[in-house]
Amino acid sequence: DQQVKQNSPSLSVQEGRISILNCDYTNSMFDYFLWYKKYPAEGPTFLISISSIKDKNEDGRFTVFLNKSAKHLSLHIVPSQPGDSAVYFCAASGNFGNEKLTFGTGTRLTIIP
Amino acid sequence: NAGVTQTPKFRVLKTGQSMTLLCAQDMNHEYMYWYRQDPGMGLRLIHYSVGEGTTAKGEVPDGYNVSRLKKQNFLLGLESAAPSQTSVYFCASRTRPGTGSYEQYFGPGTRLTVT
Repeated sequence: DQQVKQNSPSLSVQEGRISILNCDYTNSMFDYFLWYKKYPAEGPTFLISISSIKDKNEDGRFTVFLNKSAKHLSLHIVPSQPGDSAVYFCAASGNFGNEKLTFGTGTRLTIIP
Repeated sequence: NAGVTQTPKFRVLKTGQSMTLLCAQDMNHEYMYWYRQDPGMGLRLIHYSVGEGTTAKGEVPDGYNVSRLKKQNFLLGLESAAPSQTSVYFCASRTRPGTGSYEQYFGPGTRLTVT
């Protein structure tokens, strides 16, 4: 039972345009969400997070939106840059980030110059 | 700070052989985790530890054992390797809950092939 789903295995976006990565979850106990970025042959690195008490969190070019009623979150990257090409994992946790993480299957983002 | 390091980076085992993967962190983190990453499966938690001398099972613990004898080290053991354990293994660490920091810091991974 996949509790965190990333239904798009891959996404290609033109450099300078907006990249939108989506994530859905089924467990209503999840209340803290994180995005990780992973380059080949490296470990995942933390990108941005959001608590369920918010519906938006912004950090530079990266914005995460949370729709609790739809159990859906999205990561927006504006503008997209070649260095953004990587695999992006969505992760969810309960108890406001203090429980174990449950990861999605990842979306491979390719930025086309 | 080196952060989270993993040894070895690559390993090839024959079915039935045993090995130990070492994870070390220099951030004084209380919590440590072992994940495996397989194509189309994301990262799945194998075992984790909330402090020195304590370990607990994650989502996919069968065929693995762990030990946390020192705070900075977390060892993952495969007693009798099987081809189904071919994967990339990641170690991660974080501070204890309540500190306001929720992110896990990951090592670079160990690519294990079992033939």
